[in-house]
Amino acid sequence: EAQVTQNPRYLITVTGKKLTVTCSQNMNHEYMSWYRQDPGLGLRQIYYSMNVEVTDKGDVPEGYKVSRKEKRNFPLILESPSPNQTSLYFCASSLRPKTVWPDSYNSPLHFGNGTRLTVT
Amino acid sequence: GENVEQHPSTLSVQEGDSAVIKCTYSDSASNYFPWYKQELGKRPQLIIDIRSNVGEKKDQRIAVTLNKTAKHFSLHITETQPEDSAVYFCAASDLEGGYQKVTFGIGTKLQVIP
Repeated sequence: EAQVTQNPRYLITVTGKKLTVTCSQNMNHEYMSWYRQDPGLGLRQIYYSMNVEVTDKGDVPEGYKVSRKEKRNFPLILESPSPNQTSLYFCASSLRPKTVWPDSYNSPLHFGNGTRLTVT
Repeated sequence: GENVEQHPSTLSVQEGDSAVIKCTYSDSASNYFPWYKQELGKRPQLIIDIRSNVGEKKDQRIAVTLNKTAKHFSLHITETQPEDSAVYFCAASDLEGGYQKVTFGIGTKLQVIP
């Protein structure tokens, strides 16, 4: 079954204790990204990756790190979590857009099941 | 960068009535507009999308319209059912530096009252 798998689903931790949220996709997608979802703010992008070893900051990257050593995996790392990082996190993947000049055909995102993180 | 505004933030309708959610975007380069449905405790999932070279698209009870000139797009759900209750997100997407940048609205919580 084609899917994006995130772990863990729930995580409660304390300020400053490093943690990693894993994300893996089995659809051979080039693009992967991380979002956080907060009430009234929608989905905001944290980091994204266009391919292996290619990552870049999204809209809210402060306090997060990522790596893309393999095409299928894109872990999210919080080196020193703080209470303001309490949120619902989603990993997503998609195909690379196809370009048939003059148009480009973007692809929909496939989301993981989410990780609810609480930092006390 | 792109800015997507979504209205209303909450919407209650009687079962069988229609629901309309509206979004506006700021970047004229955006060319792909997906809509995602998020049921309680679950992941967002694509329900319909539209590209900038199309003005309207329909899939059974849901339809999306796009007005490129006004930078508006809307989701229409007809004959609403209780299972339509969810949070709906609009999004606008363009290619920014070769990357498919997706910007989401804040979401609309739709409640369908039986």
